Amino acid sequence: GAGVSQSPRYKVAKRGQDVALRCDPISGHVSLFWYQQALGQGPEFLTYFQNEAQLDKSGLPSDRFFAERPEGSVSTLKIQRTQQEDSAVYLCASSLGYRGNSGANVLTFGAGSRLTVL
Amino acid sequence: AQSVTQLDSQVPVFEEAPVELRCNYSSSVSVYLFWYVQYPNQGLQLLLKYLSGSTLVESINGFEAEFNKSQTSFHLRKPSVHISDTAEYFCAVSRDTGFQKLVFGTGTRLLVSP
Repeated sequence: GAGVSQSPRYKVAKRGQDVALRCDPISGHVSLFWYQQALGQGPEFLTYFQNEAQLDKSGLPSDRFFAERPEGSVSTLKIQRTQQEDSAVYLCASSLGYRGNSGANVLTFGAGSRLTVL
Repeated sequence: AQSVTQLDSQVPVFEEAPVELRCNYSSSVSVYLFWYVQYPNQGLQLLLKYLSGSTLVESINGFEAEFNKSQTSFHLRKPSVHISDTAEYFCAVSRDTGFQKLVFGTGTRLLVSP
């Protein structure tokens, strides 16, 4: 598609439920990122994929968070046993580039998935 | 580690007035600098970036930012704002243009009124 598509746009979950957030990047984009944006804060890095390989997951806040990109295109961010502190907007971004590319890669962001945990 | 400070959480201005949104960063290594804009219910969009070369960079819609290494700043300016510039503006840094792992500031909401 023309842009990065994320679904669902809004998700309300009860504490303890599992949720799955989907990201459909721009076709052909090698790099894919997930960011978490809490209310009133800037986005914070969660994890990074180069094709299907998860090269950096240093930003995942706990082992309840899991991300995958099995075929190197669509990615899913899964949160198990959701807690209230997980409430945030989850942003996905993609770019053509990958580690080692000295070119000026531009990240294209999706509109985000807003998760509210009650 | 890098960090970004945007001291102004909200900046109200009148249409056609000039505006400056402040951004300061902290890093022990060379960084690359970005400004992103977020309109309501939309994703972040790259406004402009500094990678190397001229320290003054410009966007297509009249914004400019100047990289000042001695003051570790990358302030965003526009000489005359429009109502349509109302949005949230985020400053960000990255160590690596290829990797693009960004560290963001907390954002500044620009409110332009008639």
